[in-house]
Amino acid sequence: DTGVSQNPRHKITKRGQNVTFRCDPISEHNRLYWYRQTLGQGPEFLTYFQNEAQLEKSRLLSDRFSAERPKGSFSTLEIQRTEQGDSAMYLCASSQTGSSNQPQHFGDGTRLSIL
Amino acid sequence: AQKVTQAQTEISVVEKEDVTLDCVYETRDTTYYLFWYKQPPSGELVFLIRRNSFDEQNEISGRYSWNFQKSTSSFNFTITASQVVDSAVYFCARPIMDSNYQLIWGAGTKLIIKP
Repeated sequence: DTGVSQNPRHKITKRGQNVTFRCDPISEHNRLYWYRQTLGQGPEFLTYFQNEAQLEKSRLLSDRFSAERPKGSFSTLEIQRTEQGDSAMYLCASSQTGSSNQPQHFGDGTRLSIL
Repeated sequence: AQKVTQAQTEISVVEKEDVTLDCVYETRDTTYYLFWYKQPPSGELVFLIRRNSFDEQNEISGRYSWNFQKSTSSFNFTITASQVVDSAVYFCARPIMDSNYQLIWGAGTKLIIKP
């Protein structure tokens, strides 16, 4: 069990640029989640995949955000035309198959800073 | 609303003291799960416990214990004989009603253990 891996750990970019983050889940986990966390707050759900299918998406997720999991393994989260308010920690988690409510296991996150 | 409330923003105690972190949740479900996670300064969210609402027995794991009171919608977490390594932000979370996988999180309690 190598854990959930996220890259990069830190990303600094100018407003208006596009950014892409990658998440490699625990290998036997078919469920993958993206969250956003700002300072002093709990994580905020963004989206969820079961295998390659994106099954849930937060209404908070604007059209500038898109996530993919093309082969049901790793996932990417892209933010287009970044804004100051996008500065946050982006967390990826994965969980096992089986019943719902399996514990989600998190990566170290990608910290995004928009200049 | 389906809120998870952690009213204690920050708690500071001296090492070896016992400390209890409060969590109160709202739900209309008859069956639900509750979770606690730890987020140390390194940033990675670490799963601590998952509790099914059917099981109202208290749970103990080493120095950690959890008190689930369905009647008051609370799921409190106690650390006995606290240690400096327990310093972290602790989050309580539960799935939202119309989703099996979206977790809604409390704002977290920052626990500082002083040597």
